[in-house]
Amino acid sequence: GAVVSQHPSWVICKSGTSVKIECRSLDFQATTMFWYRQFPKQSLMLMATSNEGSKATYEQGVEKDKFLINHASLTLSTLTVTSAHPEDSSFYICSASGGHGYTFGSGTRLTVV
Amino acid sequence: ELKVEQNPLFLSMQEGKNYTIYCNYSTTSDRLYWYRQDPGKSLESLFVLLSNGAVKQEGRLMASLDTKARLSTLHITAAVHDLSATYFCAVVTGNQFYFGTGTSLTVIP
Repeated sequence: GAVVSQHPSWVICKSGTSVKIECRSLDFQATTMFWYRQFPKQSLMLMATSNEGSKATYEQGVEKDKFLINHASLTLSTLTVTSAHPEDSSFYICSASGGHGYTFGSGTRLTVV
Repeated sequence: ELKVEQNPLFLSMQEGKNYTIYCNYSTTSDRLYWYRQDPGKSLESLFVLLSNGAVKQEGRLMASLDTKARLSTLHITAAVHDLSATYFCAVVTGNQFYFGTGTSLTVIP
């Protein structure tokens, strides 16, 4: 149980375009979802926390208008990287919490060219 | 802000040897997790430690928690190549995760 599906696993996009990453809890209701970014050989950095039906809470230094987070249902949260630039290239990981603990998605490798 | 430090950052060890990874954190927390991450992959949960003195073991890995010292350890016994990965501790306060810096472990034959 407690499976989180993250899609896509990897994506390459052109600079200036937008990319959407989905995070779904498959067998539980995720009241809270977290989005992390991880640069090579570094730790995970929390970008934002979202509760179902509420606006996301962003960490200091994370641009709200660039990283749009939507948590419209108890099983789905999306992260949209708008007007992506090469410096946004990173590994993005979601995590979902639903009372059982925390489950991490499989991650999305974003490369902006 | 809660800070979580791991050491060492890099660890190269021979197969069959024992070693310990340390995780120090700066304020009280609700629980502590240990994760493993393989290159290009997400996190694999290893242990969750909930109380002072908690000890958990799985195979060649054993984790412990001392909440008074704000210290957790991940002990590796008789290392094998398959244990090569990056290990993270993470401290949870409220609903917030704080990850350690990570320890990149390489086990050499």
